[in-house]
Amino acid sequence: KAGVTQTPRYLIKTRGQQVTLSCSPISGHRSVSWYQQTPGQGLQFLFEYFSETQRNKGNFPGRFSGRQFSNSRSEMNVSTLELGDSALYLCASSLEGADTGELFFGEGSRLTVL
Amino acid sequence: GENVEQHPSTLSVQEGDSAVIKCTYSDSASNYFPWYKQELGKRPQLIIDIRSNVGEKKDQRIAVTLNKTAKHFSLHITETQPEDSAVYFCAASRSNTGKLIFGQGTTLQVKP
Repeated sequence: KAGVTQTPRYLIKTRGQQVTLSCSPISGHRSVSWYQQTPGQGLQFLFEYFSETQRNKGNFPGRFSGRQFSNSRSEMNVSTLELGDSALYLCASSLEGADTGELFFGEGSRLTVL
Repeated sequence: GENVEQHPSTLSVQEGDSAVIKCTYSDSASNYFPWYKQELGKRPQLIIDIRSNVGEKKDQRIAVTLNKTAKHFSLHITETQPEDSAVYFCAASRSNTGKLIFGQGTTLQVKP
């Protein structure tokens, strides 16, 4: 079956702009979570959506937001970009949530903010 | 808040030796502890996991142990091979939160 697909894979933005990242989970998976990966901070939890509802949110400012559609596809948005937002953004899907079993990660969207 | 501390940050071993990575979690309600392996330029992949009602779990050359009282869990890799070289992440989660808290990662280098 198809894996988790993230688009775009690479993008370059300038400070102050906004960006939208997309994630298509594995068919049948209802949970989609987002993580920010940076060399110094590892994998940091952004938020998780289950059946279109945000179930949990990490310690990120309100500039980071997301949503999930009825087909389980998810998007995350970062507004007013800062240099420190440069990172690899990973989406992961699972059947029922991170606490119930394996997370399947996408290849990530690498964001560079200039 | 929830936190997972992972040590060491880097680990270098000779091929055939054992490697041990240790993690400590802060949320006593955590009940699920997976380990992910991320090879260079690739996505993280689950290698083994353990739940709080189990003290140890093995899968061929890898094993995980959990000490709930001390809030510690560890990954043990025996007979290491060069293809074990990667970054390993421990993580912790509690039921019905959808939230996985990762450790900072351990870069394991296995020298041939």
